[in-house]
Amino acid sequence: GEDVEQSLFLSVREGDSSVINCTYTDSSSTYLYWYKQEPGAGLQLLTYIFSNMDMKQDQRLTVLLNKKDKHLSLRIADTQTGDSAIYFCAEIPASNTGKLIFGQGTTLQVKP
Amino acid sequence: KAGVTQTPRYLIKTRGQQVTLSCSPISGHRSVSWYQQTPGQGLQFLFEYFSETQRNKGNFPGRFSGRQFSNSRSEMNVSTLELGDSALYLCASSPGLAAYTDTQYFGPGTRLTVL
Repeated sequence: GEDVEQSLFLSVREGDSSVINCTYTDSSSTYLYWYKQEPGAGLQLLTYIFSNMDMKQDQRLTVLLNKKDKHLSLRIADTQTGDSAIYFCAEIPASNTGKLIFGQGTTLQVKP
Repeated sequence: KAGVTQTPRYLIKTRGQQVTLSCSPISGHRSVSWYQQTPGQGLQFLFEYFSETQRNKGNFPGRFSGRQFSNSRSEMNVSTLELGDSALYLCASSPGLAAYTDTQYFGPGTRLTVL
């Protein structure tokens, strides 16, 4: 089936690390994505990971993929108030052309 | 390169009316996907177009339709609007040649309010 699950809310202090978790069900997905949405805006692609990788690092962002458990996480180092937003993980199952399946989104609140 | 553009950005309609939303993809991209975002249902896939053909369709009623032009610009139409159609409508473009792996880039969305 097609299902992506995320926790709904995370609150951290400025300067701390944030870890946003996601589980997915379709193991056929070739890429897994993280998008960021700020209030009133569209979705900004943050990063993505190929399904045969365990980890990808991109500046302050680290993506970890546990394919056996179908678990994906996004770590943001040195979280800033500008990182406050909703974060979505998403996959495109091989059975579904051009269709991203999104989680519910995790609202990240960064306190000064 | 210019990003994905969507027009209009905001729209207010009344029940029973119809509406057309427009999306211009990134230059060179041939695939456009449409999504509806609501607080209750989250982000849901409407349909995807590639080279003027609908390649995939989500689980929405026939009131929701779309098309794509030869320059890859896409429109979606919603007829007989209902209150529940109030949402942010997002379009995304991708190269379209590798359907299961193409990364999608999103526009700013059109906020539709149905009164």
